[in-house]
Amino acid sequence: SQQGEEDPQALSIQEGENATMNCSYKTSINNLQWYRQNSGRGLVHLILIRSNEREKHSGRLRVTLDTSKKSSSLLITASRAADTASYFCATPDYGGSQGNLIFGKGTKLSVKP
Amino acid sequence: EAGVAQSPRYKIIEKRQSVAFWCNPISGHATLYWYQQILGQGPKLLIQFQNNGVVDDSQLPKDRFSAERLKGVDSTLKIQPAKLEDSAVYLCASSLGGRDYEQYFGPGTRLTVT
Repeated sequence: SQQGEEDPQALSIQEGENATMNCSYKTSINNLQWYRQNSGRGLVHLILIRSNEREKHSGRLRVTLDTSKKSSSLLITASRAADTASYFCATPDYGGSQGNLIFGKGTKLSVKP
Repeated sequence: EAGVAQSPRYKIIEKRQSVAFWCNPISGHATLYWYQQILGQGPKLLIQFQNNGVVDDSQLPKDRFSAERLKGVDSTLKIQPAKLEDSAVYLCASSLGGRDYEQYFGPGTRLTVT
């Protein structure tokens, strides 16, 4: 089965700066998802980007997908202290009978006020 | 729209004891997932239900873990007997479909086995 690997493992920035996180995966996929997890909480879905899309926006979030490099990036612009969280990319697992998602280990983002 | 509900939020037990977690998914979501998340890691799938049938339990330690989804709605996950390495957060999620759909997560149950 494949797995998305996020990079960096941890990122610390000042409020107002941009934060970029990357995800690499191993085999062809038809979509990739990004999730956020605040400390002690469940995961929250941010964006799903399909293989025929190169870029997608949602508010201050911008996600890109490069299928030739098997990588995706999540950009948070004008970060806020409330963006402090762990961010996970998730890729479809085509090995199972119905398929589910495989999550990476995440990037831990700290935004300092 | 009500989110995914889980209980309890926290549980502390001794090794070799048993424990059960409950999940109520979003109404109308056919697919339900249980994940185990160890500190510092991403969620790892334990079991996936489609309505009340199991579609993937390949990573469920079946000698000690069991799960059921009665009437295709609520689900329970049980561990018996618990081991120290079972200390983790257990997350329940639901979705309209499988891998091409977004998943909605509950707040999780933090289990500590002493």
